[in-house]
Amino acid sequence: QVQLVESGGGLVKPGGSLRVSCAASGFIFSDYYMHWIRQAPGKGLEWVAYISSSGKTAYYADSVKGRFTLSRDNAKNSLFLQMNSLRDGDTAVYYCARDEGSYTFDYWGQGILVTVSS
Amino acid sequence: AIQLTQSPSSLSASVGDRVTLTCRASQGISTDLAWYQQKPGKPPSLLLSDASSLASGVPSRFSGSGSETDFTLTISSLQPEDFATYYCQHFSIYDLTFGGGTKVEIK
Repeated sequence: QVQLVESGGGLVKPGGSLRVSCAASGFIFSDYYMHWIRQAPGKGLEWVAYISSSGKTAYYADSVKGRFTLSRDNAKNSLFLQMNSLRDGDTAVYYCARDEGSYTFDYWGQGILVTVSS
Repeated sequence: AIQLTQSPSSLSASVGDRVTLTCRASQGISTDLAWYQQKPGKPPSLLLSDASSLASGVPSRFSGSGSETDFTLTISSLQPEDFATYYCQHFSIYDLTFGGGTKVEIK
């Protein structure tokens, strides 16, 4: 069955960096676009970024553009989100999600909490 | 960027009720709209895409309609497991936006 497992979250100071990962299994990872979506505590959903199946193209929300970098390793069925210059407003649960083929998300990980605080 | 406004932000309903949730887009988006259900402490799950296409495994009591700027999600007979928050989402290659959500609570 399809599984997405995030890791690497935690507490980081404003201005700091963190790399979160998503390990995929149960499907042909290299066939799918992948996304990160986040949810601040008690708030709604915010799409963050996506990456093409090959990894050649990535697209970012304006709120993270220039600070976050999305990459993938298809040989290791893994997705990575490098987050730099973190701000208080980046505090959220970060979900990785599979694109079902039309920029909608058919499978989600359980999420990983990233807390930005001094 | 396209804005999605969901209404109401919350509602109270009873088991067996017919419930209709609304999502309004700030400009026409054809039928490029999806709906998700999220229960507390869990990730969202896809209910419908293309405004009205039921996702795999989703019960038939869920249905969606609409196009361009006005969309609805209807639950024909609310079940205990349906109490959750529902989000609409616009999808396009350069614009992926969620609405603010509608929380469906038990009356």
